[in-house]
Amino acid sequence: GAGVSQSPSNKVTEKGKDVELRCDPISGHTALYWYRQSLGQGLEFLIYFQGNSAPDKSGLPSDRFSAERTGGSVSTLTIQRTQQEDSAVYLCASSRGQVQETQYFGPGTRLLVL
Amino acid sequence: TQLLEQSPQFLSIQEGENLTVYCNSSSVFSSLQWYRQEPGEGPVLLVTVVTGGEVKKLKRLTFQFGDARKDSSLHITAAQPGDTGLYLCDRGGSNYKLTFGKGTLLTVNP
Repeated sequence: GAGVSQSPSNKVTEKGKDVELRCDPISGHTALYWYRQSLGQGLEFLIYFQGNSAPDKSGLPSDRFSAERTGGSVSTLTIQRTQQEDSAVYLCASSRGQVQETQYFGPGTRLLVL
Repeated sequence: TQLLEQSPQFLSIQEGENLTVYCNSSSVFSSLQWYRQEPGEGPVLLVTVVTGGEVKKLKRLTFQFGDARKDSSLHITAAQPGDTGLYLCDRGGSNYKLTFGKGTLLTVNP
């Protein structure tokens, strides 16, 4: 398919474990974004990658959260020592990279921390 | 404090009814975007409004940007079950960090 894909679609983990969430952006899109959607907070920006520039990590809620983007394409969001409050839907989006370009979202990964 | 306040938070109506949902703020925006998020999917951009007082139509959906560019409304005529979803507004503008309201969850019952 030509859209943004994310894996896994669902993840259940135990408190204290590490998890990795993957995002495959639309081919040719240089910008990639991670957002978190939870019941109480709505949809929150986490991190932004643009080409080879240093990522904007200003939305990451704690140092347990990190993200990488390898080769300007696939991105992995890692949450270490997961907590119950990390339970949420993690959404990835990509765009052609210019400011104000439309962001195209993937279906998300639903994370449940027990 | 939420930058964008959306109302109502929940709305359940019968097929064929009309409805309006709102996105309000105390701030002035250069533009405002509306998204729809269907269950199990990510948000999809519906429209961007830029000019105060602007009205845009997308089939049965009518979007209006307030004259002062602080608020917007979305009106759906003759709602269909396929309109069911979470309607989100975002402040748009030159910042790549989308800043959504908490959304209106619309359910259209057959």
